[in-house]
Amino acid sequence: QKEVEQNSGPLSVPEGAIASLNCTYSDRGSQSFFWYRQYSGKSPELIMFIYSNGDKEDGRFTAQLNKASQYVSLLIRDSQPSDSATYLCAVNTGGGNKLTFGTGTQLKVEL
Amino acid sequence: SAVISQKPSRDICQRGTSLTIQCQVDSQVTMMFWYRQQPGQSLTLIATANQGSEATYESGFVIDKFPISRPNLTFSTLTVSNMSPEDSSIYLCSVGVSSNFYEQYFGPGTRLTVT
Repeated sequence: QKEVEQNSGPLSVPEGAIASLNCTYSDRGSQSFFWYRQYSGKSPELIMFIYSNGDKEDGRFTAQLNKASQYVSLLIRDSQPSDSATYLCAVNTGGGNKLTFGTGTQLKVEL
Repeated sequence: SAVISQKPSRDICQRGTSLTIQCQVDSQVTMMFWYRQQPGQSLTLIATANQGSEATYESGFVIDKFPISRPNLTFSTLTVSNMSPEDSSIYLCSVGVSSNFYEQYFGPGTRLTVT
């Protein structure tokens, strides 16, 4: 079982719709969860992090965490073509400061 | 977040040679990391660069192949030694700026092609 799993996609949504990206993790000791956006040819950019169960909102982005189900998600409201990128889920593992990344979900927002 | 730069941004190298990649941060940071991202793949942690001591390597990565230096709290280097085409990848440094939540910020990366 992979430590951090994501559907590779591509996930296609129309402009203005809500994009829902999902991630599951295996280490129950993980405390912090991150979403990175990576445009083609660029380095990952941190867009959200969450450490408590529930929702955390920042602009059009909402991160959701359910530690009992070992599940974290990212919702993007009013999706724009500029949101088209690969979204990487990362989890701190091993009780320390290391991050383990999922393989990423490619999001395509279509006009 | 910190401003992170890497040199070189890209390079094409011959097999058997070595390349040293530099990572510079505009502020002192406790944690620095080196990752590899192979084409179409996610990020794999190579090692944690520890200031004043030997780096901590992940399984599958060894110091002879990827020697790392961390002379101070703003600078680190990663050397890719005795390169082969399989080393063609993007190499990224990242920094951790918070001791509470472990978030990391990435440099722009170094795109390495080995011929």
